[in-house]
Amino acid sequence: QSVLTQPPSVSGAPGQRVTISCTGGTSNIGAGYDVHWYQQLPGTAPKLLIYGHSNRPSGVPDRFSASTSGTSASLAITGLQAEDEADYYCQSYDRSLSESRVFGGGTKLTVL
Amino acid sequence: QVQLQESGPGLVKPSQTLSLTCTVSGDSIISGSYYWSWIRQPAGKGLEWLGRIHTSGTTYYNPSLKGRVTMSIDTSWNQFALKLSSVTATDTAIYYCARDSSWRSFDSWGQGTQVTVSS
Repeated sequence: QSVLTQPPSVSGAPGQRVTISCTGGTSNIGAGYDVHWYQQLPGTAPKLLIYGHSNRPSGVPDRFSASTSGTSASLAITGLQAEDEADYYCQSYDRSLSESRVFGGGTKLTVL
Repeated sequence: QVQLQESGPGLVKPSQTLSLTCTVSGDSIISGSYYWSWIRQPAGKGLEWLGRIHTSGTTYYNPSLKGRVTMSIDTSWNQFALKLSSVTATDTAIYYCARDSSWRSFDSWGQGTQVTVSS
């Protein structure tokens, strides 16, 4: 049972826009702690996609964006491409769990 | 560009201690005063943060591991290590080491190493 809740799967056709939600609580996202997003391609290590709510590391296309509201966050991907098919994880900090980093359960994105 | 590489036994017997090392290259482990974390992923499942260690030796562990985890750091070798005691089959996973940035995100990851707990 993950501290942050994500839908198990989402899908979209090439060119479309999809969003992935990440729901937390008042001790993590709701407390204002940063939410980060990772992309994990099959058979590879996760890669930082978005940090600090909406910042992109160098090399990440601006098709990826994120936002936060209340106790939830979301990742948006526009202009969906086949290469975006991957697992996506949200991550934050939880002050009630001994300075823990916490993850969402992950969302499998399928490009139709 | 910092790089991380996990190493250690791929097979551990139940009740024994799992020991892994992460070697950092491309930068000194003490530059930037980062924390360094361990994260694992059972097959087909999500990510679980295990704990982190600072270059000063300060550690924070996931409470769910109930005292089974110990981390250490060797700045002279640019390495940090994980020990997980009393392992069971549920500890079978890919283990990743990662750099814990000032944003509390993981901005660099190792490629991961598979550890199987089996007799």
